Amino acid sequence: GESVGLHLPTLSVQEGDNSIINCAYSNSASDYFIWYKQESGKGPQFIIDIRSNMDKRQGQRVTVLLNKTVKHLSLQIAATQPGDSAVYFCAENTGDYKLSFGAGTTVTVRA
Amino acid sequence: GAGVSQSPSNKVTEKGKDVELRCDPISGHTALYWYRQSLGQGLEFLIYFQGNSAPDKSGLPSDRFSAERTGGSVSTLTIQRTQQEDSAVYLCASSFDRGNSPLHFGNGTRLTVT
Repeated sequence: GESVGLHLPTLSVQEGDNSIINCAYSNSASDYFIWYKQESGKGPQFIIDIRSNMDKRQGQRVTVLLNKTVKHLSLQIAATQPGDSAVYFCAENTGDYKLSFGAGTTVTVRA
Repeated sequence: GAGVSQSPSNKVTEKGKDVELRCDPISGHTALYWYRQSLGQGLEFLIYFQGNSAPDKSGLPSDRFSAERTGGSVSTLTIQRTQQEDSAVYLCASSFDRGNSPLHFGNGTRLTVT
């Protein structure tokens, strides 16, 4: 079965608000996690990654939080913009080279 | 520099025909992956190449699927005797090493089998 899952398949957010996208994983051996953004007709685009020895990492307008105790990963997007509308995937590496992807959360930004 | 390039971007074929999908990875990336994405779904691992090592073919759904990587660079995914259930977007990705660095994806080939 799928080891990575997103809590909500869709998220609607008002432009300018903060977005939080959640992801649960089941494999406690997972040591590397990545968030991807996929726009229509394009391949997944790397947003940010985090290793299991960290619990928080920040990028430009994005923050990833990792809670290994409850095997939960989240992506926070600050001041969401129309260009943030896309499908967001979390992916985990369980110790080999294959990333396991969740089904994705579709984020829609309302003007 | 240039990203991962895939061709063709779209392919329509008749059931039973063979197709070849091409991937040009980022220069210097030793690892190359093929994934499949069905409509509205996540990504399904197909095959992995790393340097000169034997590829991991464990994700290939049937023996109609094969892939090769020539000279450690360009890769071709071949689907023989295509079926309608093969319709999907086929994504190629490359990375520097084994799984602990981000995969960089191409824009995929959208395959439609009629």
